Amino acid sequence: EVQLVESGGGLVQPGGSLRLSCAASGFTFSTYSMNWVRQAPGKGPEWLSYITGSSSTIYYADSVKGRFTISRDNGKNSLYLQMNSLRAEDTAVYYCARDHVDTAAFDVWGQGTMVTVSS
Amino acid sequence: QSALTQPASVSGSPGQSITISCTGTGSDVGSYNLVSWYQQHPGKAPKLMIYEGSKRPSGVSNRFSGSKSGNTASLTISGLQAEDEADYYCCSYAGSTTYVFGTGTKVTVL
Repeated sequence: EVQLVESGGGLVQPGGSLRLSCAASGFTFSTYSMNWVRQAPGKGPEWLSYITGSSSTIYYADSVKGRFTISRDNGKNSLYLQMNSLRAEDTAVYYCARDHVDTAAFDVWGQGTMVTVSS
Repeated sequence: QSALTQPASVSGSPGQSITISCTGTGSDVGSYNLVSWYQQHPGKAPKLMIYEGSKRPSGVSNRFSGSKSGNTASLTISGLQAEDEADYYCCSYAGSTTYVFGTGTKVTVL
């Protein structure tokens, strides 16, 4: 079964850091580009970041550029999101999502991990 | 990048057809045939229903169809069923490997 499982969310103070992980199984992880997408409470999803299978190409949304870093470890079938300088507006459920090859769509999603930024 | 505009809610009776619109700009929806649609039930992750404007992933009912005209994409659900009650979001490629989602539409089955 194709599956993505996020972890690492929690409560963090403004200005703090958090590292999210996404464990992939059921498919050849290294051959797929991956994304992070977040969804604030009661809002629509927001795409955050993209990384190719080889990590050779990385993109970020302007809202997180310079604060968040996407990475992956194909040997561990894992995707990561390092989040620094967190703000209240970063409070959301964070999802990892597999890229639907060459279609600009996201075909597999994890269950999400909640990040709350509050003092 | 502003969110794509969707109606806040759409409703229909079982068996009817409904259409959800998704309006963007010439920089996103209008420039690329790369609109996708997602269904999201409460407390669950989004599920891909349509990609490249009108294609259905394996396993998605053919009651779901997509189209596009100019800067507006549309999702039509025919033969509405109780399990179709959910939030629906459109998403468009916006160039330079960035993506913009819609504001979301709550579908209610009366």
